[in-house]
Amino acid sequence: EVQLVESGGGLVQPGGSLRLSCAASGFTFSTYSLNWVRQAPGKGLEWVSYISSSSGTIYYADSVKGRFTISRDNAMNSLYLQMNGLRAEDTAVYYCAREGRIGDGDPTSQKDFWGQGTLVTVSS
Amino acid sequence: SYVLTQPPSVSVAPGKTARITCGGNNIGSKSVHWYQQKPGQAPVLVIYYDSDRPSGIPERFSGSNSGNTATLTISRVEAGDEADYHCQVWDSSSDHVVFGGGTKLTVL
Repeated sequence: EVQLVESGGGLVQPGGSLRLSCAASGFTFSTYSLNWVRQAPGKGLEWVSYISSSSGTIYYADSVKGRFTISRDNAMNSLYLQMNGLRAEDTAVYYCAREGRIGDGDPTSQKDFWGQGTLVTVSS
Repeated sequence: SYVLTQPPSVSVAPGKTARITCGGNNIGSKSVHWYQQKPGQAPVLVIYYDSDRPSGIPERFSGSNSGNTATLTISRVEAGDEADYHCQVWDSSSDHVVFGGGTKLTVL
């Protein structure tokens, strides 16, 4: 059974930093690309970042580029999101989502499995 | 950047057909994926590559995509279908994954 479990969320002051993790199990982690997607309270889904299976291709939403860094450790079956310079508008539930197609390349396929999310609150 | 437009809400009586649209410039040339999200839960994939259904998703869920509009159709709507529905594409021009604003489906 595919499982994605996010952790690392919490309350942080504006300008602060946080590192999110996503622990994966139930599939060959190193062969799948992954995404971070967030959802602000009462709002729709917003894609944050993508990393290919080999880490060779990385993309960011304009709203987080230069502040957030996505990475992965295929030996540890884990995905990460380092978030710096946090702003109130970054407050959201952050989900990791698996790309539905095996292999490297662009995130053209569906996001077939999602974690339950971790809440990040940016407030003083 | 590429924009996907969904109606904020759609209402339908039980047993009827619900159609949720997702508008975008020449969206028919892109692959559209649809997700269902119930309150307090993570999104669940219901349609991928315009019209394919993942295993476990009822045949009542179908999708189409042409021109400037993609459509998620839910036949014989049940109370349990009440949820938010989100469409999603990959925009190669901007290297961005794009989601629509989401549509709240209410079963009357």
